Amino acid sequence: DAKTTQPNSMESNEEEPVHLPCNHSTISGTDYIHWYRQLPSQGPEYVIHGLTSNVNNRMASLAIAEDRKSSTLILHRATLRDAAVYYCILRRYGGSQGNLIFGKGTKLSVKP
Amino acid sequence: DGGITQSPKYLFRKEGQNVTLSCEQNLNHDAMYWYRQDPGQGLRLIYYSQIVNDFQKGDIAEGYSVSREKKESFPLTVTSAQKNPTAFYLCASDHRSVGGQDTEAFFGQGTRLTVV
Repeated sequence: DAKTTQPNSMESNEEEPVHLPCNHSTISGTDYIHWYRQLPSQGPEYVIHGLTSNVNNRMASLAIAEDRKSSTLILHRATLRDAAVYYCILRRYGGSQGNLIFGKGTKLSVKP
Repeated sequence: DGGITQSPKYLFRKEGQNVTLSCEQNLNHDAMYWYRQDPGQGLRLIYYSQIVNDFQKGDIAEGYSVSREKKESFPLTVTSAQKNPTAFYLCASDHRSVGGQDTEAFFGQGTRLTVV
């Protein structure tokens, strides 16, 4: 499974945008980029995923580099409820592979 | 409401006893997964199942067993052979792929197992 690299922690101020980076230099052509977040003592929550094009949904935006070796999760206006551990994961489409393999993620702190 | 349910939320067991964690989903998902999470760490895959009556070992399957007799259910048994079973256990499910597109996974709220 291809690996991802994320900063251990980041800080943000409330109501400001947050850009969470992820490097995945060994990504293959069929790997989807997934983002999940986890609050303490809860199960991870899906945030967004994409393959090649940038993606937007009600929670966030995903910006994917042209060579797909990096991506950025964008929270447009951080709230205190966005404080969580954010995981960037690659998942290979199809076949017997394709399980979500989690790293340690980025712990996002949001200051009021 | 559709979702994935794990029970119980907290579980205490004596060392040497087997214990079974429940995971049920009513999302009609084909694939189901079990993960283990230790403090300050990411999730590690224990077992996964893509279809009823079939399952595969993940990265840390030793000391665990599963069954998939029904599409909705994927129970995990932590056996006495698991050397350090105290952890947070998470179950997940998804379609794996729909119409050629990858899909999101849904997670339960977890079971915190403490072995004393």
